Amino acid sequence: GQSLEQPSEVTAVEGAIVQINCTYQTSGFYGLSWYQQHDGGAPTFLSYNALDGLEETGRFSSFLSRSDSYGYLLLQELQMKDSASYFCAVRDRGGKSTFGDGTTLTVKP
Amino acid sequence: DAGVTQSPTHLIKTRGQQVTLRCSPKSGHDTVSWYQQALGQGPQFIFQYYEEEERQRGNFPDRFSGHQFPNYSSELNVNALLLGDSALYLCASRWSEAVYGYTFGSGTRLTVV
Repeated sequence: GQSLEQPSEVTAVEGAIVQINCTYQTSGFYGLSWYQQHDGGAPTFLSYNALDGLEETGRFSSFLSRSDSYGYLLLQELQMKDSASYFCAVRDRGGKSTFGDGTTLTVKP
Repeated sequence: DAGVTQSPTHLIKTRGQQVTLRCSPKSGHDTVSWYQQALGQGPQFIFQYYEEEERQRGNFPDRFSGHQFPNYSSELNVNALLLGDSALYLCASRWSEAVYGYTFGSGTRLTVV
C-alpha cells in the first residue's frame, strides 16, 4: 500500500517563506505531485517531481529525494491568497495518485 | 476552454438509495479518475477510466461502479447508499500521454441522510 505524512497545519506571515514537508511509503513510485485546494474549491495542480532535485515555478518550488522518500513544497513571498490546503500525492505507473491528508496553510498579515 | 465539469453540484439522498454523478473532462483529455474526499481529508482514489474501461481501482466496495462513454465523459454510480458515503466526489481528467497534472472539477457534494 501507500501512505503519506504531512503536517496538518502551518501558519506564516505575509511575505515570508514556508516549507511543507511530505514523507511517503509506497510501492511502484513514479512521481510526487502537489495540489492546492481552497475551501469548497477544486484541487489545483501546482508541481510534479519524478527525479531528485528542485523544480521551480514562480513563487512555488518543489523538491524530491527518492532515496529518502521525502519531498517538500516551498512557497515564497507569501500572499494572503495562498491560505489554502496543500496536498502531496504519490503517482504510480498506472496513473493512480494517492493523496496525503493535506496541510492547512494560514497566512497572517 | 471549459475545464472539468461535474453535475450536480449538490445532492441529498436517503440511505439505501442509488446515485449517479456525472463528469465531462477537459477538452483533449481522455482519462478520467474519480476521488472521494471526506471533510478534512485528502482525496481517496476510487477508480480510473481510459478507453471506456476501468483501468485501476482503489479500496472501494463494489457498490461503487462507473462508466466512461465514447466522448470520454464519465459517470460514477453508488448503490445502497450509507451515511458514510457522504463526501465531496471529485472527477479529475488528463491526457493519457501526459505524465502528470490532473485537472480536477469542483466536485459533487453528496449528503446521505
